[in-house]
Amino acid sequence: AQSVTQLGSHVSVSEGALVLLRCNYSSSVPPYLFWYVQYPNQGLQLLLKYTTGATLVKGINGFEAEFKKSETSFHLTKPSAHMSDAAEYFCAVSDGILTGGGNKLTFGTGTQLKVEL
Amino acid sequence: GAGVSQTPSNKVTEKGKYVELRCDPISGHTALYWYRQSLGQGPEFLIYFQGTGAADDSGLPNDRFFAVRPEGSVSTLKIQRTERGDSAVYLCASSLRGENTEAFFGQGTRLTVV
Repeated sequence: AQSVTQLGSHVSVSEGALVLLRCNYSSSVPPYLFWYVQYPNQGLQLLLKYTTGATLVKGINGFEAEFKKSETSFHLTKPSAHMSDAAEYFCAVSDGILTGGGNKLTFGTGTQLKVEL
Repeated sequence: GAGVSQTPSNKVTEKGKYVELRCDPISGHTALYWYRQSLGQGPEFLIYFQGTGAADDSGLPNDRFFAVRPEGSVSTLKIQRTERGDSAVYLCASSLRGENTEAFFGQGTRLTVV
């Protein structure tokens, strides 16, 4: 069984400050890891994903995340927050291929990011 | 269409009634997923289709929930004898087949059972 823990249901940063959203996972097999963003009244949008290879993954809108197997973590960072980054962020893990090909995602409970002037 | 479309966007129903939620995936996407997102929680997996068949329905909470995808495109999630605990946002996602493919999510249907 897999699980995801997102520390901090609400995070508040100043515009221009570093964004750090924490994600720890549990998986019995090498995981695939994802970060999704959800803006109000919109669907989930993929920010970035780790499957294999380089452990530092770059995504859209200046976000990146680093897979650290020893710490079972996949924290999301952005060097400088912008007002438009205010949204809810979800970390998710998959153990790979479903029967017939596919990814069943197990999501964390989400972190609401607030960006203040 | 350009993205995954879900209808209706909002549905209010009385306890005990039957509801159907529709998902139109991105054209050409053979994989289709349903998730349920309760207030304050992350999405939870319900069911996965590859083509017309339900390849994994392990997330369906009980036999009141059923989903179909008869022609391998549009899918309908059906809930019988709705209960107040079924109130949630129901999300649909689609993707190409394969382990590294991105799942594209619709905006969801907010179901409220009163």
